[in-house]
Formats: sequence, C-alpha cells, structure tokens
Amino acid sequence: EPEVTQTPSHQVTQMGQEVILRCVPISNHLYFYWYRQILGQKVEFLVSFYNNEISEKSEIFDDQFSVERPDGSNFTLKIRSTKLEDSAMYFCASSDVAGETQYFGPGTRLLVL
Amino acid sequence: SQKIEQNSEALNIQEGKTATLTCNYTNYSPAYLQWYRQDPGRGPVFLLLIRENEKEKRKERLKVTFDTTLKQSLFHITASQPADSATYLCAPSSGGGKLIFGQGTELSVKP
Repeated sequence: EPEVTQTPSHQVTQMGQEVILRCVPISNHLYFYWYRQILGQKVEFLVSFYNNEISEKSEIFDDQFSVERPDGSNFTLKIRSTKLEDSAMYFCASSDVAGETQYFGPGTRLLVL
Repeated sequence: SQKIEQNSEALNIQEGKTATLTCNYTNYSPAYLQWYRQDPGRGPVFLLLIRENEKEKRKERLKVTFDTTLKQSLFHITASQPADSATYLCAPSSGGGKLIFGQGTELSVKP
C-alpha cells in the first residue's frame, strides 16, 4: 500500500540553525500539507500546497518557514532560523482531493536546543 | 472563532463494550467531518469521512453520526478491543484543504 515517507525521523539542531524536513508524498496525489504537533498538544495545520504554490498557510507559518517541491517526488519544509519553540513533531500529508482523506507520514521529531 | 471540542477526559472501557466519542464544533458549518486515529509518536490515520447530507456512516465496527443542527458528531466503536486503544481526532471541514483538529480523546480498552 502506498505511503507517505519522511526523513529524518529525528533531528536535533541548535537555535538559529536552518533545518530542512523532507517528505515523499503518495505518487498520484496532488495536494500536500505540513502539520506540527508540540508534545502533549493537538495537531496544528501549517501549510497546504497545490500546483507548485502555497494554497493556504496558518499564522504559525511565518517568514521563517518555506516549502518547496524541488522535483516530482519530494516536498520539503525549511525552517530558516530555528527557535526553541519550533521543537515539535512535524507531519507531512498528502491527498488526491483537497482536504479529504489525508495520508500522514510518520513524522520528524525536531528538537531545538 | 471556530472551536472544536472533544471529550477532554480519557475514556476507559472494558473490552467488548461500545466506545462513544463526542465531537462538538461551534462558529462554522462544515461540509464534512473526518475522524482520525493517532497512536503515540505516530501520524494520524484516516478512519471515516461523513458529509453534511449524511446522517450516519459505517465501516466495519466503526459508526459515525453527524448532526448539523446540534453541531455534533458521535464516533462509535462496537465490540471494542485493546488494539483500539489510541487517541481519536475529529476534524470538521468546510473544504479547501486544511484540517483543523480537535485536541483528541484518548481511548483505553482494558481486557
């Protein structure tokens, strides 16, 4: 069964450093998303991406964040200058219909020291 | 602002019983509502989607109802098993892509 994959599974970084989180969505899906979950809190929407551009972003997704689909398979989330409060689990998801039945990856656990 | 409320207390039930989880929402009119399951340290897994013109939907031991007047969805797991223990998330949606999740209800099924 097709699945969303994410790398790395864990990432530890120093405050102020740039990180790139990588995702490979399901191959025939057209809609891509990033979510985050701070420990003990709910899953929060960050950004949606369709047709090579951002469809929607939340207030969390400020100028420090960017997304890219550099080739036909990868979908990346970059945090330019990490802050302590960026420590969270980051989930990538994809769907073949906007918003419906999203398939989530296993997540990247980011720890900012 | 839009608000989604799920049972904040963990739900503990005995194996074989029916678990009923509640999702209430305010200040918007979703076109559909989804339920996901999340295990610790894992990504959410889609379970069911119910549309505003559907009152009830079933999938194996799962049943979802959607009452747009009460602004509420109920999620039932019949003949529950310890393997059903997880956090269950609801996500009412007006469409457009993003999912806004409730905080989830933790279900524990004891043998």
